Amino acid sequence: GDSVTQMEGPVTLSEEAFLTINCTYTATGYPSLFWYVQYPGEGLQLLLKATKADDKGSNKGFEATYRKETTSFHLEKGSVQVSDSAVYFCALSGIRGATNKLIFGTGTLLAVQP
Amino acid sequence: DVKVTQSSRYLVKRTGEKVFLECVQDMDHENMFWYRQDPGLGLRLIYFSYDVKMKEKGDIPEGYSVSREKKERFSLILESASTNQTSMYLCASQGVNQPQHFGDGTRLSIL
Repeated sequence: GDSVTQMEGPVTLSEEAFLTINCTYTATGYPSLFWYVQYPGEGLQLLLKATKADDKGSNKGFEATYRKETTSFHLEKGSVQVSDSAVYFCALSGIRGATNKLIFGTGTLLAVQP
Repeated sequence: DVKVTQSSRYLVKRTGEKVFLECVQDMDHENMFWYRQDPGLGLRLIYFSYDVKMKEKGDIPEGYSVSREKKERFSLILESASTNQTSMYLCASQGVNQPQHFGDGTRLSIL
């Protein structure tokens, strides 16, 4: 079935380090892809999205490119800050006409140390 | 900004109790969702609703029901709470061609 696989955490980085969180998906058709972020004690917030192949989503210094050939949507940031410490979820939607339903990965905890 | 409000941040109930989790959104969104979040499992969809009085089962509906009597309010009901329903519950709402917006979650413990 349709699914999202993201790298297991926790990912621990020093401030100003480069971040990559891998995300791959399995789906029939052409899903939309999302990254959501969950800060401690809060709900999920949409970080960025891409709706078609080769689209690049970006927000707050984070980027992810929709790669249809590798079925991937890896999250990157050039220089992380302590305030980026959170859980990051990759998700897809738009499968088999279920345009509103999201399928989430298991989440990756990012801890940034000063 | 979209505001999705869940009635409780923390809730403790006993096995066998009937539990109500409430969610209200202020953006006149058609779609509303209930998820549960568990470590290592991510978010799993319990139920969703695309209109007043309409509901559809998600991936894990067993042991739950929902109610949507008004457009802005979507309630999750645990008919007879069990310890395996201890979890974080997240509500979301969504307008047409918009991403989902989440509340802050309710951490429910069933003793």
